[in-house]
Amino acid sequence: EIVMTQSPAILSVSPGDTVTLSCRASQSLSINLAWYQQRPGQAPRLLIYGAFTRATGISARFSGSGSGTEFTLTISSLQSEDFAVYYCQQYNKWPPWTFGQGTKVEIK
Amino acid sequence: EMQLVESGGGLVQPGGSLRLSCAASGFTFSTYSMNWVRQTPGKGLEWLSYISSSSLAIYYADSVKGRFTISRDNARNSLYLQMNNLRDEDTAVYYCARQRGNQDFDWWGQGTLVTVSS
Repeated sequence: EIVMTQSPAILSVSPGDTVTLSCRASQSLSINLAWYQQRPGQAPRLLIYGAFTRATGISARFSGSGSGTEFTLTISSLQSEDFAVYYCQQYNKWPPWTFGQGTKVEIK
Repeated sequence: EMQLVESGGGLVQPGGSLRLSCAASGFTFSTYSMNWVRQTPGKGLEWLSYISSSSLAIYYADSVKGRFTISRDNARNSLYLQMNNLRDEDTAVYYCARQRGNQDFDWWGQGTLVTVSS
């Protein structure tokens, strides 16, 4: 099973900031990685797939990068609706499909 | 508009059973693989089970293998999860999720809460 590790667990930032979230895999994923956003009380929403491709309707303020075992999600000019929990998920080797434990982006 | 609507959650005693349903609309259900993913209170996401578009391929997480059964009815645009021998640690919000290929989960329902408690 591929273990996904996200850091940090919590990021305290201000609106307008740019933040970078990290995701590390226990073995190489190529670019078979997705990022999700989960706002309080809502279901997860696909943001990024293939490590860097934005899903339909996702703002260009969200960008993904990386390959192999190291990946990042960058959110620029943070807006109020961006304060949420973000998860990475691998689909390189399955089953199981595995998620990271999440990074919470909170208002400082 | 695409929709996935879960139902069937509730309070059940340890050792009991529940059947979750997921009604799909707004897309061609029969052409997509589907999954169940759960989220324990305050915790992260755990993939539970996968079923291919034709039901020919089915997979389970070790945590539920032998206790949970996934199925689908393409004529009714519905996905199901039969959960038997429920344990306290199965308490969670259960989501159905559409999968693109065997890759990411591109559409999720709003979830249904299952509480296992005596």
